[in-house]
Amino acid sequence: RKEVEQDPGPFNVPEGATVAFNCTYSNSASQSFFWYRQDCRKEPKLLMSVYSSGNEDGRFTAQLNRASQYISLLIRDSKLSDSATYLCVVITPGAGSYQLTFGKGTKLSVIP
Amino acid sequence: DTGVSQDPRHKITKRGQNVTFRCDPISEHNRLYWYRQTLGQGPEFLTYFQNEAQLEKSRLLSDRFSAERPKGSFSTLEIQRTEQGDSAMYLCASSERAIGATDTQYFGPGTRLTVL
Repeated sequence: RKEVEQDPGPFNVPEGATVAFNCTYSNSASQSFFWYRQDCRKEPKLLMSVYSSGNEDGRFTAQLNRASQYISLLIRDSKLSDSATYLCVVITPGAGSYQLTFGKGTKLSVIP
Repeated sequence: DTGVSQDPRHKITKRGQNVTFRCDPISEHNRLYWYRQTLGQGPEFLTYFQNEAQLEKSRLLSDRFSAERPKGSFSTLEIQRTEQGDSAMYLCASSERAIGATDTQYFGPGTRLTVL
């Protein structure tokens, strides 16, 4: 099992739709989780952290399920500008350091 | 602009040549990271520094790759004897020191390397 897995998509959804992505991780010791957004040929940008209790930022909701070892990102009322690749990031402590692993990303296309 | 900057933005080189990239992190950030990203993949961790100390290196970082951060500010990534498989986007990120692992990274625009 890969350390961090995401459905690559693409997810093609109409404007206004609700869409959800999952990201699974293999190491139960993983501590911190993030969602990044990456536009075509641009650098990744932090979208939101994922907290144990779940968190919401406007139309975006992130959740963590430690028992099943996955995080999710829900986007409500999709906008054309939401079209991008969404990367999950998992941070796992190691010996004296920690390891940061990106998923391959899920591509979202919001269609007019 | 107070974000992370990288130079050059694009580099085309012939196989076998050496290349060096520079990254200037956000000024108050003491952690600096290098990643490599190829088309359709997420960024792959290469190495990271806390101040001038290189704390971790990925097994992806072959002996042709070396990174430095001599004064704990900017960093350089050198690739010697480049191969076509080195063609990728090389991303740099920086973060503030954080307690535990709640480390939010801010990325630079990347250096796109093409090895002919």
